[in-house]
Amino acid sequence: GENVEQHPSTLSVQEGDSAVIKCTYSDSASNYFPWYKQELGKRPQLIIDIRSNVGEKKDQRIAVTLNKTAKHFSLHITETQPEDSAVYFCAATNGNQFYFGTGTSLTVIP
Amino acid sequence: GAVVSQHPSRVICKSGTSVKIECRSLDFQATTMFWYRQFPKQSLMLMATSNEGSKATYEQGVEKDKFLINHASLTLSTLTVTSAHPEDSSFYICSATFRGRTYEQYFGPGTRLTVT
Repeated sequence: GENVEQHPSTLSVQEGDSAVIKCTYSDSASNYFPWYKQELGKRPQLIIDIRSNVGEKKDQRIAVTLNKTAKHFSLHITETQPEDSAVYFCAATNGNQFYFGTGTSLTVIP
Repeated sequence: GAVVSQHPSRVICKSGTSVKIECRSLDFQATTMFWYRQFPKQSLMLMATSNEGSKATYEQGVEKDKFLINHASLTLSTLTVTSAHPEDSSFYICSATFRGRTYEQYFGPGTRLTVT
């Protein structure tokens, strides 16, 4: 089955700085890679996603890059704000089950 | 967007009792529902995948006799934690996908189970 690894587990940045979270996956059949933001006690919210036929996608301050050859993808948040503080999960799927990374707790320090 | 609800949002039960958690898709027919378990500050661990009208597929290490999943209709799946013990205390989240859009996963709000 799929194995998704995520780093770092915790990340603290100053407000305005950038944050980068990295994930690797093992199953070459995975072709969709979403990123979720989860606040304490709430459901995960999809913030951005990328399909395997695309190398990069950007949505305002958030961007995701994918390297299919190396089987890794990354989330980039620029100009971080305190409200970006949350736990972020990457995931990989081939359209059947979704497999999640271990999560990154991001703290943006005002 | 599509909405998935869960009930109850919080439940406290005594050790040895059974608890049922419902997951409903409110405005679409979910072809597949997933059940996850999440411990504090940890990731979502897939427990089982449930397709309407068929038996759930459990992930390795998940006891199917302890975590009973029923997907009786295209809008409802239930997870029953049987003979609950304190170690079953966790945050349980369901999600759903629907036909033709299996890459879009809609999460329920989660159920906080505490077993005393």
